Amino acid sequence: ILNVEQSPQSLHVQEGDSTNFTCSFPSSNFYALHWYRWETAKSPEALFVMTLNGDEKKKGRISATLNTKEGYSYLYIKGSQPEDSATYLCAFLYNFNKFYFGSGTKLNVKP
Amino acid sequence: EAQVTQNPRYLITVTGKKLTVTCSQNMNHEYMSWYRQDPGLGLRQIYYSMNVEVTDKGDVPEGYKVSRKEKRNFPLILESPSPNQTSLYFCASSLQQGPYEKLFFGSGTQLSVL
Repeated sequence: ILNVEQSPQSLHVQEGDSTNFTCSFPSSNFYALHWYRWETAKSPEALFVMTLNGDEKKKGRISATLNTKEGYSYLYIKGSQPEDSATYLCAFLYNFNKFYFGSGTKLNVKP
Repeated sequence: EAQVTQNPRYLITVTGKKLTVTCSQNMNHEYMSWYRQDPGLGLRQIYYSMNVEVTDKGDVPEGYKVSRKEKRNFPLILESPSPNQTSLYFCASSLQQGPYEKLFFGSGTQLSVL
């Protein structure tokens, strides 16, 4: 079983703060790194799929970077809003067909 | 509407009573997979299927069975459920097996085995 770690486990910020989380994964046998957003009582929804070292993806106020050589990805949220409150999951794709998920970072944005 | 449909949303059962959780997708996806979510742990892959009649074990397959007789359906079968299978289960699909395809998740099934 591969180890995918996310930090921090939880985060409380004020509306308007910018924040970032980390996903660490094995640097060998890398195929892709996915980020998902999971709101309470809903299903996880894809944010980004990243495949190349140095990849940077952006969707509105949310962006992500990827470093496959050292085995980490950062997710950034600029100017957090209450609707950004959710758990953010990363998933490491190993051997083309097996996904290993981190345990998530739970973000709470206070108005 | 493109979606992955899981049923039931909630299920309470007793040890040893066979059950099936259904999963169906309407996007003509080839790749389908099952996960369980337990507190403090990430989603763990139970089984996956790359296409009809092609299935393989994930990391935690013990106590589970799957079948893929049709492209759209991928049921999860617990032949003799035990309390350690109490968990939140998700089905997910993607267009193809491979690194570029994001997963589409069902709404989840909260299973309690007494």
